[in-house]
Amino acid sequence: EAGVTQFPSHSVIEKGQTVTLRCDPISGHDNLYWYRRVMGKEIKFLLHFVKESKQDESGMPNNRFLAERTGGTYSTLKVQPAELEDSGVYFCASRLAAYNEQFFGPGTRLTVL
Amino acid sequence: LAKTTQPISMDSYEGQEVNITCSHNNIATNDYITWYQQFPSQGPRFIIQGYKTKVTNEVASLFIPADRKSSTLSLPRVSLSDTAVYYCLVARSGGYNKLIFGAGTRLAVHP
Repeated sequence: EAGVTQFPSHSVIEKGQTVTLRCDPISGHDNLYWYRRVMGKEIKFLLHFVKESKQDESGMPNNRFLAERTGGTYSTLKVQPAELEDSGVYFCASRLAAYNEQFFGPGTRLTVL
Repeated sequence: LAKTTQPISMDSYEGQEVNITCSHNNIATNDYITWYQQFPSQGPRFIIQGYKTKVTNEVASLFIPADRKSSTLSLPRVSLSDTAVYYCLVARSGGYNKLIFGAGTRLAVHP
């Protein structure tokens, strides 16, 4: 069974540009989470989807970040416009409703120059 | 959610048992304790979870005393490949299950 996949694995963009990160959860996992680790800091929760609905977006840093999960399958996280402080590793995780365990993807390393 | 406190780093040698203790003084009744492992350039990976007493799986054991204010992850006979960061987290069951990560414990296993 395929795990959580994220694309791209790395992205280097300039300040002011737009970047879209994609996460494909494990098939059948209704719950999808986005987390990120910025340089030297701890992994922080960004938001949580149940199917296509946002259940908790309390961790989204500002309105430059937009997450979507159309159709309740894959999710995208768009940063527009990107700022230097957005650099870090963005993780996606998915979970089956009946279980607590979250399965994490390998992350997308975003570098904003 | 309860804040967790665990050692920043630990060292061990191959074949030894490693115990990592975590404190979570403000844990709530419907919170559970879960541990994740993270290797460089990978996402965290679930190891074990528990609510109280002892839980054991093929990878580790988790000991939780009656007051649930602390927990101990036990890794039997570690190998070099167990070198990683270990996170102790408290999460709320029946809810959104979002994970609040701390700094974790960086375990280094030496030959």
